[in-house]
Amino acid sequence: DGGITQSPKYLFRKEGQNVTLSCEQNLNHDAMYWYRQDPGQGLRLIYYSQIVNDFQKGDIAEGYSVSREKKESFPLTVTSAQKNPTAFYLCASSIGPVGANVLTFGAGSRLTVL
Amino acid sequence: GEDVEQSLFLSVREGDSSVINCTYTDSSSTYLYWYKQEPGAGLQLLTYIFSNMDMKQDQRLTVLLNKKDKHLSLRIADTQTGDSAIYFCADHNQGGKLIFGQGTELSVKP
Repeated sequence: DGGITQSPKYLFRKEGQNVTLSCEQNLNHDAMYWYRQDPGQGLRLIYYSQIVNDFQKGDIAEGYSVSREKKESFPLTVTSAQKNPTAFYLCASSIGPVGANVLTFGAGSRLTVL
Repeated sequence: GEDVEQSLFLSVREGDSSVINCTYTDSSSTYLYWYKQEPGAGLQLLTYIFSNMDMKQDQRLTVLLNKKDKHLSLRIADTQTGDSAIYFCADHNQGGKLIFGQGTELSVKP
């Protein structure tokens, strides 16, 4: 079945450590996104990518980094510079240009900083 | 900047209708979406409406759009316990950006 796979589902991190969240899609979608979800705040866009080897900052990119070396993969690194990284992270993809189509979401990764 | 607002909680009894409301500020909206999120999961598209439509019905779901007041609503008829989830309204503007509301947590009591 086509879809988006995020891993790990749960991740615990000590302060000062970088962690990388994986996002893989087999939908042949061009665009991919990372969102952060906090209770009562909805979804906020971290980074997005329209094509391979290209990505753009979203509304809250500080303390995060991404890469898009393959169409299927869009990993997110949460760096030690991110002041409040505990959150639920959602990866999504869409078939066409950014914003033009419906988003398909992964199941999410919950990051907790100890 | 552009904003999308929703109330955070709604509680209904099983079999009743649920109405989830959303307001937005963007004047250049093209599409408006409703997504559903079950506990610990990602978001799934429920339905969407193009900005030149007033209403869209899809089985138990009815979407109403008042473009003048920038008000969107989602009505779920005959609400079931399986409808308990967080519902997100999202606005797709002409700039291509998708802006989500805070989400409304729907609780359905038997």
